Amino acid sequence: GAGVSQSPSNKVTEKGKDVELRCDPISGHTALYWYRQSLGQGLEFLIYFQGNSAPDKSGLPSDRFSAERTGGSVSTLTIQRTQQEDSAVYLCASSDSGGNTEAFFGQGTRLTVV
Amino acid sequence: QKEVEQDPGPLSVPEGAIVSLNCTYSNSAFQYFMWYRQYSRKGPELLMYTYSSGNKEDGRFTAQVDKSSKYISLFIRDSQPSDSATYLCAMKGTNAGKSTFGDGTTLTVKP
Repeated sequence: GAGVSQSPSNKVTEKGKDVELRCDPISGHTALYWYRQSLGQGLEFLIYFQGNSAPDKSGLPSDRFSAERTGGSVSTLTIQRTQQEDSAVYLCASSDSGGNTEAFFGQGTRLTVV
Repeated sequence: QKEVEQDPGPLSVPEGAIVSLNCTYSNSAFQYFMWYRQYSRKGPELLMYTYSSGNKEDGRFTAQVDKSSKYISLFIRDSQPSDSATYLCAMKGTNAGKSTFGDGTTLTVKP
């Protein structure tokens, strides 16, 4: 695809339910990042993948959060037993192997926990 | 205290003005410095990135990094209404996947 694609665009879920957020990076990009952004705030780092490995998962807020990446491409961020404080925009970014920045972001998934 | 502090704004300027956006940081390990533009309900868009100290120019945009002062700036010349957005600074160390972002400055350029 032309850019980083995230789905769904919006997700409303009930407290206590599990949710899965998907990120399709730009083809060939080996680095993939997940961030979340609360209203009026900057981006909060969650996890970084290089290929299928996650050398830095230090930003995952609790063991309710997990992420995987398969085939060096698609990544899924899973939040179990969602809480209201999980409400935020979840952003995915990718870059190629030579990049040192989060070069391209997706449009985000807006998660609302009610 | 946050590792990255960004002038909160909001900032409102007339079209054609020069805009200065600024961030300070405390972590001397930061080596890569980025500026992103984010329109409402969109993902951030990378505008500029600089390695270590110095200036970088791209069209109407100039990024400056002063590592001795732990201070970075983004200048926008001849600002346009289409520049109205939130601007985020970000930075990272040499081997870190993680970037640390400022909270953003919202800019409005009035025609």
